[in-house]
Amino acid sequence: DAGITQSPRHKVTETGTPVTLRCHQTENHRYMYWYRQDPGHGLRLIHYSYGVKDTDKGEVSDGYSVSRSKTEDFLLTLESATSSQTSVYFCAISESTGGENTQYFGPGTRLTVL
Amino acid sequence: KQEVTQIPAALSVPEGENLVLNCSFTDSAIYNLQWFRQDPGKGLTSLLLIQSSQREQTSGRLNASLDKSSGRSTLYIAASQPGDSATYLCATGDSSGSARQLTFGSGTQLTVLP
Repeated sequence: DAGITQSPRHKVTETGTPVTLRCHQTENHRYMYWYRQDPGHGLRLIHYSYGVKDTDKGEVSDGYSVSRSKTEDFLLTLESATSSQTSVYFCAISESTGGENTQYFGPGTRLTVL
Repeated sequence: KQEVTQIPAALSVPEGENLVLNCSFTDSAIYNLQWFRQDPGKGLTSLLLIQSSQREQTSGRLNASLDKSSGRSTLYIAASQPGDSATYLCATGDSSGSARQLTFGSGTQLTVLP
C-alpha cells in the first residue's frame, strides 16, 4: 500500500469554526489531491497540488483552501466550517500525470459539522 | 464537463456468478479510465487502469474493457465470491488545468451472497 496517512480520521466540529485536515505521504510523489465523497455524488475534486507551493482549484473548491510547504504534506483548511461541508475527505497522490499512472488514496477523514 | 454514470447503483448476486458492472461517460477525450474498489469505511484501492490507447486490461478474475467511441467501460468479474462484496467505482482521467484529474461515478454497491 502507498504510504499515505490522513489526520484526524474523525472529527466533529461546530459551524463557524476553522478546521484543518492533514495528508502526509512517504512516497515522494509530486502530485497530491483532496476529494470529498458524498452519497449520490461519488468523489469530487476540491483542490490539487502539482508541486511545493503549487496548487490549483478543483470542481468544488468554494469554502476550502490548501497549502503545501513540503513535498510530503498537503493541508486542507475549512476557514469557517458549514454543515454542507459534512463529508468524508480523501487525499490522493500520484507520481506523474501520464496515462499509465494511477492515484493512490488515503484512508479518509470523516468530518461532521454540527 | 465530464459526467460519469454507473448503473445499477446496487447489485446482489449469488456466489459463483459471473457479473458485469457498467460505466458510461460523456466526453471521450479521456487519457485513461480506472476501476477502484472501496470497502465500507475505507479508502479506494485501484483495481485496473486502461490507458486511452488500450481496449482492455485483466487482473486475475477481473477484466475491464474500454470503448471510447461509445463512452463506455465494463468491469467483468468471473466466479464471484463473498469477498468481492464492496462498492466499485469507475473514474475517467481528464485533462484540466495544471494537473490531470479523475472524474468519478457514484459507484455500484455489489453484494455477493454465500
